[in-house]
Amino acid sequence: SAVISQKPSRDICQRGTSLTIQCQVDSQVTMMFWYRQQPGQSLTLIATANQGSEATYESGFVIDKFPISRPNLTFSTLTVSNMSPEDSSIYLCSVSGRAAQIYEQYFGPGTRLTVT
Amino acid sequence: ELKVEQNPLFLSMQEGKNYTIYCNYSTTSDRLYWYRQDPGKSLESLFVLLSNGAVKQEGRLMASLDTKARLSTLHITAAVHDLSATYFCAVDLNSGYALNFGKGTSLLVTP
Repeated sequence: SAVISQKPSRDICQRGTSLTIQCQVDSQVTMMFWYRQQPGQSLTLIATANQGSEATYESGFVIDKFPISRPNLTFSTLTVSNMSPEDSSIYLCSVSGRAAQIYEQYFGPGTRLTVT
Repeated sequence: ELKVEQNPLFLSMQEGKNYTIYCNYSTTSDRLYWYRQDPGKSLESLFVLLSNGAVKQEGRLMASLDTKARLSTLHITAAVHDLSATYFCAVDLNSGYALNFGKGTSLLVTP
């Protein structure tokens, strides 16, 4: 399986500030995604991180609020901008399309964000 | 819009009992995923079901997929406390695409 790391693992931030979350995979993958899991809820897709082009955002999520970069096939960042308490969530990256296991989808350990 | 519905959302069961979690989805798909999430942890992949009639088993858990009925089941046999967790099913429209998740089933196994 793919080994995925995320930094930071958790953070407490003040409203109005921004936080950048990093996702690193141990091998090249085709697809990288960012999800949000609000407290006690299921996972919601924020966007697909496209290598070499702009991310594809889901309804309700915009680039100004959640800018995403993907400079290569093993790394991506998600920034949560101008944070408010409503942004307090776990943010997870996931990957798929690794070698022959294209149907497998793996999740990183998550970044637990608290906004005060 | 693809919808994924799980039931029950909460399940309390005694050790040694059997139970089934159901996952219905609204659009044709041949791929169904089951994940486990422990409190404060990320998602652990349990099963990937890739075709109609697929059945996979691991320990006390068995998952099946009926693509014609758009239904997957996760059956728990002789539950033990270590199975207490939240279980999510998820569906993707095409291999390599993002997943649509159900709301999750919070399972508590009690002595």
